[in-house]
Amino acid sequence: KAGVTQTPRYLIKTRGQQVTLSCSPISGHRSVSWYQQTPGQGLQFLFEYFSETQRNKGNFPGRFSGRQFSNSRSEMNVSTLELGDSALYLCASSQQGDTQYFGPGTRLTVL
Amino acid sequence: QKEVEQDPGPLSVPEGAIVSLNCTYSNSAFQYFMWYRQYSRKGPELLMYTYSSGNKEDGRFTAQVDKSSKYISLFIRDSQPSDSATYLCASLFNAGNNRKLIWGLGTSLAVNP
Repeated sequence: KAGVTQTPRYLIKTRGQQVTLSCSPISGHRSVSWYQQTPGQGLQFLFEYFSETQRNKGNFPGRFSGRQFSNSRSEMNVSTLELGDSALYLCASSQQGDTQYFGPGTRLTVL
Repeated sequence: QKEVEQDPGPLSVPEGAIVSLNCTYSNSAFQYFMWYRQYSRKGPELLMYTYSSGNKEDGRFTAQVDKSSKYISLFIRDSQPSDSATYLCASLFNAGNNRKLIWGLGTSLAVNP
């Protein structure tokens, strides 16, 4: 089976811009979770989608949003980018939200 | 207090050493335990998972869970320089309709040739 894919792999934006990241889960997986990872902060949970519905949400501002499509592919959007949004954004897929398989991540740099 | 505590290290050992990585968790509703390995600038990779107390072995890796003391461990035998990475523990919190994965901060391991 193909693994989790994320696009783009690298992104450079400026403050105030918005960005959309994409994730394609493993075939047959219905759950997609998004994480932000910065040095010293570990994995910070953003949200989880299961069958097109947001099932769980972390403690991030409303500038961070996501959605899931009928084919389980997911996108996350960050509006009005801030310098502190620079991070590795990871997507993970699972069948039921338990054992998660991660993609390679999108490294976002905000200038 | 974080729900899953993990010493961030860094931990530095010579090649061939036995490595012990540990996490503690705070809530008895945590039911399922996982270890991930993350190389620099890559996504985390699942190493092992277990539901029950006791040991689970896979090659040089052994995962150990002690639910009575809420303690989980990963042992690496005959450590190699290629084991140098950050190791993350995770536990599944499952109580009624509230189900989420809780992560430790990760322990940085360096295995020196």
